[in-house]
Amino acid sequence: RKEVEQDPGPFNVPEGATVAFNCTYSNSASQSFFWYRQDCRKEPKLLMSVYSSGNEDGRFTAQLNRASQYISLLIRDSKLSDSATYLCVVNMEYGNKLVFGAGTILRVKS
Amino acid sequence: GAVVSQHPSWVICKSGTSVKIECRSLDFQATTMFWYRQFPKQSLMLMATSNEGSKATYEQGVEKDKFLINHASLTLSTLTVTSAHPEDSSFYICSAPDSTYGYTFGSGTRLTVV
Repeated sequence: RKEVEQDPGPFNVPEGATVAFNCTYSNSASQSFFWYRQDCRKEPKLLMSVYSSGNEDGRFTAQLNRASQYISLLIRDSKLSDSATYLCVVNMEYGNKLVFGAGTILRVKS
Repeated sequence: GAVVSQHPSWVICKSGTSVKIECRSLDFQATTMFWYRQFPKQSLMLMATSNEGSKATYEQGVEKDKFLINHASLTLSTLTVTSAHPEDSSFYICSAPDSTYGYTFGSGTRLTVV
């Protein structure tokens, strides 16, 4: 079983749509959780950290369910510029390696 | 914010030659550097972890004699792909944890072996 699993997509959505991505992780001892965004042939960039209480950053909302070992990302009012691959990332402990999911491709179309 | 400068951005080399990739932390001290590899449509996979002044720790299945990692100073870590072959063609990227900014990534190196 992969340490971090994501639906690869692609998710093809029109501008303005709401889209949700899910992710599961296998190691119950994982401590930190993140969503990264990766554009084609570029390095990953941190989109947001994910906290147990859930957190929101503008159009983006992240949720964590430790009991189910499940993380989600909701994007509201999708923009063309949101088109990218979204990586679910977990970390056992700060300073340790990040473990990446394979990513979910989002394509927003006009 | 913290910056990791990675060079080269892309390189094309002949099969059998060696390629060195550098990652330099510009405004913080990187005592640890993670080296990842990403094949098309796949996830970033950790290859090895380098620690300043000590030997790198390699992930299972990664040949330490083929992927030489050096972390001789607090600001520089290098990955050398020795005797490169076409199957080594990939996107290589480094990342360093920084206490203020979290994990900072280099911009990646796209290696093509012909």
